[in-house]
Amino acid sequence: RKEVEQDPGPFNVPEGATVAFNCTYSNSASQSFFWYRQDCRKEPKLLMSVYSSGNEDGRFTAQLNRASQYISLLIRDSKLSDSATYLCVVNAPGGSYIPTFGRGTSLIVHP
Amino acid sequence: ETGVTQTPRHLVMGMTNKKSLKCEQHLGHNAMYWYKQSAKKPLELMFVYSLEERVENNSVPSRFSPECPNSSHLFLHLHTLQPEDSALYLCASSQPGQFTEAFFGQGTRLTVV
Repeated sequence: RKEVEQDPGPFNVPEGATVAFNCTYSNSASQSFFWYRQDCRKEPKLLMSVYSSGNEDGRFTAQLNRASQYISLLIRDSKLSDSATYLCVVNAPGGSYIPTFGRGTSLIVHP
Repeated sequence: ETGVTQTPRHLVMGMTNKKSLKCEQHLGHNAMYWYKQSAKKPLELMFVYSLEERVENNSVPSRFSPECPNSSHLFLHLHTLQPEDSALYLCASSQPGQFTEAFFGQGTRLTVV
Protein backbone atom coordinates (compact mmCIF):
# COMPACT_ATOMS: atom_id res chain seq x y z
CA ARG A 1 0.00 0.00 0.00
CA LYS A 2 1.32 3.43 -0.94
CA GLU A 3 1.97 5.85 1.91
CA VAL A 4 -0.24 8.58 0.49
CA GLU A 5 -2.92 7.82 -2.10
CA GLN A 6 -5.03 10.15 -4.19
CA ASP A 7 -7.41 9.68 -7.08
CA PRO A 8 -5.52 11.26 -10.02
CA GLY A 9 -8.75 12.40 -11.71
CA PRO A 10 -9.12 14.53 -13.70
CA PHE A 11 -12.12 16.12 -12.07
CA ASN A 12 -13.85 18.17 -14.73
CA VAL A 13 -16.36 20.64 -13.22
CA PRO A 14 -18.20 23.80 -14.32
CA GLU A 15 -17.54 27.19 -12.78
CA GLY A 16 -19.42 27.63 -9.53
CA ALA A 17 -19.47 23.94 -8.70
CA THR A 18 -18.40 22.43 -5.41
CA VAL A 19 -15.77 19.72 -5.68
CA ALA A 20 -14.12 17.50 -3.08
CA PHE A 21 -10.92 15.46 -3.14
CA ASN A 22 -9.92 12.71 -0.74
CA CYS A 23 -6.49 11.48 0.25
CA THR A 24 -5.70 8.42 2.34
CA TYR A 25 -2.52 7.78 4.31
CA SER A 26 -1.13 4.50 5.55
CA ASN A 27 0.75 5.42 8.73
CA SER A 28 -1.67 5.88 11.60
CA ALA A 29 1.01 7.71 13.60
CA SER A 30 1.04 10.61 11.14
CA GLN A 31 0.19 13.93 12.75
CA SER A 32 0.67 16.67 10.17
CA PHE A 33 -1.00 17.09 6.82
CA PHE A 34 -1.02 19.66 4.05
CA TRP A 35 -2.61 20.42 0.70
CA TYR A 36 -0.42 21.91 -2.01
CA ARG A 37 -1.39 23.29 -5.39
CA GLN A 38 0.76 22.73 -8.47
CA ASP A 39 0.16 24.55 -11.74
CA CYS A 40 1.40 23.06 -14.99
CA ARG A 41 5.21 23.08 -15.19
CA LYS A 42 5.49 25.03 -11.94
CA GLU A 43 6.58 24.16 -8.42
CA PRO A 44 4.12 23.01 -5.74
CA LYS A 45 2.90 25.78 -3.44
CA LEU A 46 1.29 25.39 -0.03
CA LEU A 47 -2.47 25.83 -0.17
CA MET A 48 -3.33 25.04 3.42
CA SER A 49 -2.32 23.05 6.44
CA VAL A 50 -4.77 20.62 8.02
CA TYR A 51 -5.03 21.15 11.77
CA SER A 52 -6.64 18.72 14.19
CA SER A 53 -10.06 18.11 12.72
CA GLY A 54 -10.13 20.75 10.02
CA ASN A 55 -9.24 24.14 8.59
CA GLU A 56 -11.10 26.67 6.46
CA ASP A 57 -9.74 29.45 4.27
CA GLY A 58 -12.31 31.27 2.15
CA ARG A 59 -13.70 28.85 -0.43
CA PHE A 60 -11.37 26.06 0.69
CA THR A 61 -12.02 23.65 3.55
CA ALA A 62 -9.69 20.86 4.60
CA GLN A 63 -10.75 18.12 6.99
CA LEU A 64 -9.00 15.27 8.73
CA ASN A 65 -10.55 11.96 9.69
CA ARG A 66 -8.04 10.12 11.87
CA ALA A 67 -10.20 7.06 12.39
CA SER A 68 -10.40 6.39 8.67
CA GLN A 69 -6.97 7.88 7.92
CA TYR A 70 -8.01 10.31 5.26
CA ILE A 71 -7.96 14.02 4.64
CA SER A 72 -10.21 15.89 2.27
CA LEU A 73 -10.19 19.19 0.42
CA LEU A 74 -13.45 20.90 -0.46
CA ILE A 75 -13.54 23.76 -2.96
CA ARG A 76 -16.74 25.79 -3.12
CA ASP A 77 -17.80 28.10 -5.95
CA SER A 78 -15.03 26.86 -8.27
CA LYS A 79 -13.22 29.44 -10.39
CA LEU A 80 -11.43 28.91 -13.70
CA SER A 81 -8.22 29.81 -11.87
CA ASP A 82 -8.67 26.85 -9.53
CA SER A 83 -7.65 24.54 -12.40
CA ALA A 84 -4.46 22.84 -11.19
CA THR A 85 -3.18 19.66 -9.59
CA TYR A 86 -3.81 19.35 -5.86
CA LEU A 87 -1.21 17.43 -3.90
CA CYS A 88 -1.83 15.80 -0.56
CA VAL A 89 1.21 15.79 1.73
CA VAL A 90 1.83 13.91 4.96
CA ASN A 91 4.90 14.51 7.08
CA ALA A 92 6.11 10.97 7.72
CA PRO A 93 6.40 10.35 11.47
CA GLY A 94 9.58 9.15 13.12
CA GLY A 95 12.75 11.21 12.96
CA SER A 96 12.97 13.63 10.07
CA TYR A 97 9.23 14.07 9.29
CA ILE A 98 9.95 13.97 5.59
CA PRO A 99 7.15 15.42 3.42
CA THR A 100 5.58 12.53 1.56
CA PHE A 101 3.51 13.43 -1.48
CA GLY A 102 0.52 11.80 -3.09
CA ARG A 103 0.43 11.64 -6.87
CA GLY A 104 -1.95 14.60 -7.02
CA THR A 105 -5.51 15.12 -8.21
CA SER A 106 -6.06 17.09 -11.39
CA LEU A 107 -8.89 19.64 -11.40
CA ILE A 108 -10.21 21.27 -14.55
CA VAL A 109 -12.79 24.03 -14.11
CA HIS A 110 -14.57 24.94 -17.35
CA PRO A 111 -16.85 27.88 -18.23
CA GLU B 1 12.81 37.68 -3.16
CA THR B 2 12.11 33.98 -3.66
CA GLY B 3 12.73 31.95 -0.49
CA VAL B 4 14.18 28.97 -2.38
CA THR B 5 16.15 29.63 -5.55
CA GLN B 6 17.24 27.01 -8.06
CA THR B 7 19.68 27.41 -10.92
CA PRO B 8 19.71 26.82 -13.76
CA ARG B 9 16.00 26.89 -14.62
CA HIS B 10 16.56 24.86 -17.77
CA LEU B 11 19.38 22.50 -18.68
CA VAL B 12 20.07 20.37 -21.73
CA MET B 13 22.95 17.96 -21.42
CA GLY B 14 24.44 15.05 -23.29
CA MET B 15 24.80 11.64 -21.73
CA THR B 16 28.55 12.08 -21.32
CA ASN B 17 28.39 15.52 -19.71
CA LYS B 18 28.85 16.47 -16.07
CA LYS B 19 26.70 19.23 -14.67
CA SER B 20 25.46 20.46 -11.31
CA LEU B 21 22.14 21.81 -10.11
CA LYS B 22 22.20 24.41 -7.39
CA CYS B 23 19.64 25.25 -4.72
CA GLU B 24 19.83 28.08 -2.19
CA GLN B 25 17.33 28.89 0.54
CA HIS B 26 16.98 32.16 2.41
CA LEU B 27 14.45 30.96 4.96
CA GLY B 28 16.75 29.86 7.76
CA HIS B 29 15.64 26.25 7.36
CA ASN B 30 17.75 23.28 8.43
CA ALA B 31 16.36 20.58 6.16
CA MET B 32 16.68 20.46 2.38
CA TYR B 33 15.34 18.00 -0.17
CA TRP B 34 15.72 16.96 -3.78
CA TYR B 35 12.64 15.64 -5.56
CA LYS B 36 12.27 14.39 -9.12
CA GLN B 37 9.06 14.87 -11.07
CA SER B 38 8.78 13.09 -14.41
CA ALA B 39 5.99 13.79 -16.87
CA LYS B 40 2.60 12.63 -15.55
CA LYS B 41 4.24 10.99 -12.51
CA PRO B 42 4.14 11.91 -8.83
CA LEU B 43 6.94 13.63 -6.99
CA GLU B 44 9.69 11.18 -6.08
CA LEU B 45 11.90 11.91 -3.09
CA MET B 46 15.57 11.56 -3.95
CA PHE B 47 17.65 12.91 -1.06
CA VAL B 48 17.11 14.57 2.30
CA TYR B 49 19.61 16.57 4.30
CA SER B 50 18.85 17.59 7.86
CA LEU B 51 21.34 19.78 9.70
CA GLU B 52 23.74 19.15 6.80
CA GLU B 53 23.68 15.39 7.25
CA ARG B 54 22.16 13.12 4.64
CA VAL B 55 19.29 11.30 6.29
CA GLU B 56 17.61 9.78 3.26
CA ASN B 57 18.87 8.32 0.03
CA ASN B 58 15.89 6.89 -1.73
CA SER B 59 17.57 4.23 -3.89
CA VAL B 60 18.84 6.83 -6.31
CA PRO B 61 21.37 5.71 -8.97
CA SER B 62 24.95 6.76 -8.29
CA ARG B 63 24.97 8.99 -11.37
CA PHE B 64 23.18 11.47 -9.08
CA SER B 65 25.39 12.78 -6.28
CA PRO B 66 24.13 15.31 -3.73
CA GLU B 67 26.21 17.76 -1.74
CA CYS B 68 25.17 19.98 1.14
CA PRO B 69 28.08 22.26 2.14
CA ASN B 70 25.95 24.23 4.61
CA SER B 71 22.33 24.54 5.66
CA SER B 72 21.56 27.14 2.99
CA HIS B 73 22.96 25.38 -0.07
CA LEU B 74 22.27 22.09 -1.77
CA PHE B 75 23.75 20.74 -4.97
CA LEU B 76 22.91 17.81 -7.21
CA HIS B 77 25.86 16.67 -9.28
CA LEU B 78 24.98 14.84 -12.48
CA HIS B 79 27.15 12.61 -14.64
CA THR B 80 26.56 10.06 -17.39
CA LEU B 81 22.81 10.52 -17.23
CA GLN B 82 20.29 8.63 -19.32
CA PRO B 83 17.43 10.06 -21.41
CA GLU B 84 14.94 8.69 -18.85
CA ASP B 85 16.49 11.03 -16.29
CA SER B 86 14.88 13.96 -18.12
CA ALA B 87 12.48 15.51 -15.62
CA LEU B 88 11.75 18.49 -13.41
CA TYR B 89 14.11 18.49 -10.43
CA LEU B 90 12.70 20.32 -7.45
CA CYS B 91 14.53 21.49 -4.37
CA ALA B 92 12.63 22.16 -1.15
CA SER B 93 13.48 23.26 2.36
CA SER B 94 11.77 23.18 5.74
CA GLN B 95 12.47 23.37 9.41
CA PRO B 96 12.91 19.83 10.71
CA GLY B 97 9.79 19.11 12.69
CA GLN B 98 6.46 17.48 12.58
CA PHE B 99 4.22 20.44 11.82
CA THR B 100 6.31 22.43 9.38
CA GLU B 101 5.60 22.75 5.70
CA ALA B 102 8.10 22.53 2.85
CA PHE B 103 8.84 25.41 0.50
CA PHE B 104 9.89 24.69 -3.07
CA GLY B 105 12.17 26.30 -5.57
CA GLN B 106 10.96 26.81 -9.13
CA GLY B 107 12.76 23.71 -10.31
CA THR B 108 15.29 22.85 -12.98
CA ARG B 109 13.83 21.34 -16.12
CA LEU B 110 16.46 18.86 -17.28
CA THR B 111 16.61 17.29 -20.72
CA VAL B 112 19.16 14.57 -21.40
CA VAL B 113 19.93 14.05 -25.08
